[in-house]
Amino acid sequence: EVQLVESGGGLVQPGGSLRLSCAASGFTLRSHWMHWVRQVAGKGLVWVSRINGDGTSIRYADSVKGRFTISKDNAKDTLYLQMDSLRDEDTAMYYCLRESSATVAGTPKFWFDPWGQGTLVTVSS
Amino acid sequence: QTVVTQEPSLTVSPGGTVTLTCASSTGAVTSAYYPNWFQQKPGQAPRALIYSTSNKHSWTPARFSGSLLGGKAALTLSGVQPEDEAEYYCLLYYGGDWVFGGGTKLTVL
Repeated sequence: EVQLVESGGGLVQPGGSLRLSCAASGFTLRSHWMHWVRQVAGKGLVWVSRINGDGTSIRYADSVKGRFTISKDNAKDTLYLQMDSLRDEDTAMYYCLRESSATVAGTPKFWFDPWGQGTLVTVSS
Repeated sequence: QTVVTQEPSLTVSPGGTVTLTCASSTGAVTSAYYPNWFQQKPGQAPRALIYSTSNKHSWTPARFSGSLLGGKAALTLSGVQPEDEAEYYCLLYYGGDWVFGGGTKLTVL
């Protein structure tokens, strides 16, 4: 079964750090772009970051650039999100998800599945 | 700052038809934005419904369809069921980054 399981969330003080993990099973991370998305309670989804298969191409949302670092260990099939200089507004549920792609009749297709169940990060003093 | 706009809320009667839209602050949404649609129910992770404008996943009910409509991405539900009450999010591609819409809360009443 293709599955993603996040861990590492918890309570941290403003200015602190936390590292989230996302363990993949049923597929290999090496073959996919992977993403982190977050959601404040009662609010919408916000894309945070993405990394390509071999870890050489990385993008971040402006709101986390310079504070968060995405990485992956393909040997362990695990995705990470290192979060430093945390702020109150980083409090959210964090989801990891897999991006897949294919070319059909010369047209690229992109889809996002599966999603993990999420891990809750609370930044508070 | 790119903004993707969805209707905040819509209400539909069981058995009815409703169209949710997804607009971009940069202009008309085309297939090159590879619109994706997700459904999220309370307490659950989002679930993929539609990808690259109009393609369905194997688990997507036939009553859901995706299209481009009037310069926006659109998600149409035909023959709405009570279990379709949920939050729906679109996701658009901006040449390296992806941006979610603010979500549409669909009420089936």
